[in-house]
Amino acid sequence: ETGVTQSPTHLIKTRGQQVTLRCSSQSGHNTVSWYQQALGQGPQFIFQYYREEENGRGNFPPRFSGLQFPNYSSELNVNALELDDSALYLCASNSHSGRETQYFGPGTRLLVL
Amino acid sequence: AQRVTQPEKLLSVFKGAPVELKCNYSYSGSPELFWYVQYSRQRLQLLLRHISRESIKGFTADLNKGETSFHLKKPFAQEEDSAMYYCALTGTASKLTFGTGTRLQVTL
Repeated sequence: ETGVTQSPTHLIKTRGQQVTLRCSSQSGHNTVSWYQQALGQGPQFIFQYYREEENGRGNFPPRFSGLQFPNYSSELNVNALELDDSALYLCASNSHSGRETQYFGPGTRLLVL
Repeated sequence: AQRVTQPEKLLSVFKGAPVELKCNYSYSGSPELFWYVQYSRQRLQLLLRHISRESIKGFTADLNKGETSFHLKKPFAQEEDSAMYYCALTGTASKLTFGTGTRLQVTL
């Protein structure tokens, strides 16, 4: 069984740029959730995708967008980067939309200068 | 609105001492409660969830709906328990709402 993987592990961008983060869900999982974890904080829910459709969104502006592909992998896109977007971005997958346990990837650390 | 509160940023205990990590929540319906743990240089992983009523690595947590609490307990702390612990809840949707976390430090 392959766990959740994320790429890249870390990257540095400048304010105003755009970034794409990638996530491969655990084998057999069709639901992917994205979280932002700022330094010293718990993860905050950005949005979730289930069978390629957005299935819930947290309190994040529209410049945070996502995609889920037929193989259930997912992308998180952030446009017009701001300094406060610097954080660890976590992807989690589970077997179907609902209260199933979510399994987390190692995260992508984004630094915006 | 759903909210999770972990009042302690850091909890330091001696090896062999009892551990209690506090978690209080706010949710109007019937939540599902979780404890996640993050060991040094490892990913966030599930420690336990209240519906399974399991004891994992000696840890237990009881959901107290009256006090809206889900405290994590272990009778005898071990060095390998040192980690960051997050309490989380999910409501009708499957999004997780996390607390800010408590760092458990077990010293000799």
